Amino acid sequence: EAAVTQSPRNKVAVTGGKVTLSCNQTNNHNNMYWYRQDTGHGLRLIHYSYGAGSTEKGDIPDGYKASRPSQENFSLILELATPSQTSVYFCASGTRKNTGQLYFGEGSKLTVL
Amino acid sequence: AQSVTQPDARVTVSEGASLQLRCKYSYSATPYLFWYVQYPRQGLQMLLKYYSGDPVVQGVNGFEAEFSKSDSSFHLRKASVHWSDSAVYFCAVSATSGGNYKPTFGKGTSLVVHP
Repeated sequence: EAAVTQSPRNKVAVTGGKVTLSCNQTNNHNNMYWYRQDTGHGLRLIHYSYGAGSTEKGDIPDGYKASRPSQENFSLILELATPSQTSVYFCASGTRKNTGQLYFGEGSKLTVL
Repeated sequence: AQSVTQPDARVTVSEGASLQLRCKYSYSATPYLFWYVQYPRQGLQMLLKYYSGDPVVQGVNGFEAEFSKSDSSFHLRKASVHWSDSAVYFCAVSATSGGNYKPTFGKGTSLVVHP
């Protein structure tokens, strides 16, 4: 079965600090995605990638960067964290031709104080 | 651009009752449509998907969904719910962009099943 692992699972950061959320998938999927989940907003797409070395902006990319150094790894980077970025972040992977079906990690809860 | 609307933020039913969770989508053609479920403190898992063919698709755990092109809807149904079905349900639409897919999710419907 598809396996997507996120780290850390919980993180408390200070305003202005740098945060890196990491995601590793062992499915050999081409596509990877970062979403954030907030009450009243559901899941919103931040960044995504169609393969190693590529990243694309999603619907709410401001304040976030992404890095895809390999097929397996996809990181979300908050260079200057703000309290509005307090959320639960989900990483997901999917195949290029699998019609958009995604396999999700268990989420990373980020609190920015 | 594609979009998804789940009009009900929360649905409460009694165990054994039937269930319908509503989903409407917006897209110029027929996209791929999905229902995902999220149990507490977990990631999302796919319940079922549709693209073409029989408009009623079967999923796991007795769930099914019906596609309506005329209504741009993809409602989720279950004949008899169990307390363990309590979770958040997300409808999603996915359309291709240059051969790749960028799924868009609705805001989710929280289902509470009373024993």
